[in-house]
Amino acid sequence: QSALTQPASVSGSPGQSITISCTGTSSDVGHYNYVSWYQQLPGKAPQLMIYDVTKRPAGVSNRFSGSKSGNTASLTISGLQAEDEADYYCSSYRDDSPYVFGTGTKVSVL
Amino acid sequence: EVQLLESGGGLVQPGGSLRLSCAASGFTFRTSVMNWVRQAPGKGLEWVSVINNSGGSPYYGDSVKGRFTISGDNSKNILYLHMNSLRAEDTAIYYCAKDRVGYSYGGYGLDVWGQGTTVTVSS
Repeated sequence: QSALTQPASVSGSPGQSITISCTGTSSDVGHYNYVSWYQQLPGKAPQLMIYDVTKRPAGVSNRFSGSKSGNTASLTISGLQAEDEADYYCSSYRDDSPYVFGTGTKVSVL
Repeated sequence: EVQLLESGGGLVQPGGSLRLSCAASGFTFRTSVMNWVRQAPGKGLEWVSVINNSGGSPYYGDSVKGRFTISGDNSKNILYLHMNSLRAEDTAIYYCAKDRVGYSYGGYGLDVWGQGTTVTVSS
């Protein structure tokens, strides 16, 4: 069960927008609209930020948005803030696994 | 308040066994779909197993298939992970996590996570 591919790190200045990519295959990201994104602050458990590609759970800032094109999903953080500094993981449904996670991306706020 | 609380982690020798528990509260456990996800030191998230507490077969990741068993006790609202034939590469923080949607498997998103319990496999 190979992982989805994410960039190891992405950085931006406060107020900027950044985008994290999540590349899978036609068997997962490209076939199902069940892509989720998780934020993991240092030493904490992950938190669901986006589900079903574009939807935000209650309480999640609208600065976070999701999209998908072909086999690649993306998470955009607009108006970057210091508190957004964390690791971010995507996940997708796949026929042989309800959750296959991405490799993870460390977001740094410069 | 919806809450998950893991316990049972510790130090175990290679080849040994361990049982993790996850106490659930604040939601209807018997209709929920529950997962175990692990994170090795300094590494990313790895999905381990899922069970539908309404019924149906559980599923496992390739790396634990045949060694780990997931189960749920609907009378106690507790999720378990029985781990046998443990290896050094099983060393990780183990999180239990609730599926956003109950009743069926579908990768709908994990909306509640516990704080994790640490398993160390070493001689």
